Amino acid sequence: GQQLNQSPQSMFIQEGEDVSMNCTSSSIFNTWLWYKQEPGEGPVLLIALYKAGELTSNGRLTAQFGITRKDSFLNISASIPSDVGIYFCAGNTNAGKSTFGDGTTLTVKP
Amino acid sequence: GAVVSQHPSWVICKSGTSVKIECRSLDFQATTMFWYRQFPKQSLMLMATSNEGSKATYEQGVEKDKFLINHASLTLSTLTVTSAHPEDSSFYICSASSVRYYEQYFGPGTRLTVT
Repeated sequence: GQQLNQSPQSMFIQEGEDVSMNCTSSSIFNTWLWYKQEPGEGPVLLIALYKAGELTSNGRLTAQFGITRKDSFLNISASIPSDVGIYFCAGNTNAGKSTFGDGTTLTVKP
Repeated sequence: GAVVSQHPSWVICKSGTSVKIECRSLDFQATTMFWYRQFPKQSLMLMATSNEGSKATYEQGVEKDKFLINHASLTLSTLTVTSAHPEDSSFYICSASSVRYYEQYFGPGTRLTVT
């Protein structure tokens, strides 16, 4: 089946630093999505990307859909303590199901 | 917009009993709902996909007679864990999508503990 490789697995950063994480796959996806999950909660959709090469921002978050359609990255600028959580990438084909990465756990030290 | 609720948020049940979890889309019509299971510090494991009015499609390895899914309307899907065992203890999360099926909106999850 399709697999997503998400990296890094975890990050420990200082408040104010920028963060970058990415997902790669051997398969082509038509849509890339980024979610954030906090402990004991369901994931929340952050950014959805629909076209290869697309660069989309949501506040301090910026995500890009790779030209090859096999990768995507998420950047968080000027991190704050409430950015802590697990970030998941997800890729979709036309079948409707999402394939999720294993997540990047972000810890922000004040 | 795009709010999904889940009930209950947590449940403790005895081994051998059945538990029903409800998933509702509150402000949109969900043509498709998904049920996931998540173990601590792990990613989401898709269990099944359900479309309103039709039978759910289960992922390989998921027992459909044990995890009964009913997508009764465009705003409600239920997951019933039948004859629960301690190994069924987990965090169960539903999601719903509408016309833009690739955007899934997740419920807050249900923590099931089977004793």
